[in-house]
Amino acid sequence: DAGITQSPRHKVTETGTPVTLRCHQTENHRYMYWYRQDPGHGLRLIHYSYGVKDTDKGEVSDGYSVSRSKTEDFLLTLESATSSQTSVYFCAISESRQSYGYTFGSGTRLTVV
Amino acid sequence: DAKTTQPTSMDCAEGRAANLPCNHSTISGNEYVYWYRQIHSQGPQYIIHGLKNNETNEMASLIITEDRKSSTLILPHATLRDTAVYYCIVRVSGGGADGLTFGKGTHLIIQP
Repeated sequence: DAGITQSPRHKVTETGTPVTLRCHQTENHRYMYWYRQDPGHGLRLIHYSYGVKDTDKGEVSDGYSVSRSKTEDFLLTLESATSSQTSVYFCAISESRQSYGYTFGSGTRLTVV
Repeated sequence: DAKTTQPTSMDCAEGRAANLPCNHSTISGNEYVYWYRQIHSQGPQYIIHGLKNNETNEMASLIITEDRKSSTLILPHATLRDTAVYYCIVRVSGGGADGLTFGKGTHLIIQP
């Protein structure tokens, strides 16, 4: 979607290596989110951010950390990747206090071998 | 957020109206009904939302029953590109600190 980009789009990495996924927005939205999507589980929230340096855990945060040093960038890090973290990762942004929807990125397909 | 119930899958002929139901019998007075869809391999896409009045935009119409316990998303002239998983979500406002909760949704298949 325009205004939000994820990088890389695809990545294959080995078990035990660190991996960082990047979400970049040009909308100046306050809230940013990381989701993962797996067959049979749908979309699940990993972490979210409600401002620069303000982050909190979601439903499936174990094994993941995040950082937001600038409004436009939200980084998701897998400190030591495991095969269970093979998934499609989506970033989303939203404005608070308004009743319209989130905008999602195109996703990053991560494979841990 | 209130729980929603949707059929697992539905078929619709191309060019016909696709009517996707959603039950949300425990909805609170300040909760909105949101609809998103996810086309294969893409990120979810916002479609429409409403509180209690019917809503229409360039993509779809949303009909909410008077008691607000159920709603229907209507795609007036379905095309093959409307084949996707459609999610009905109920929450207080569109943006917020804790994200959206996605259920399993309805897999809508548009038949040629």
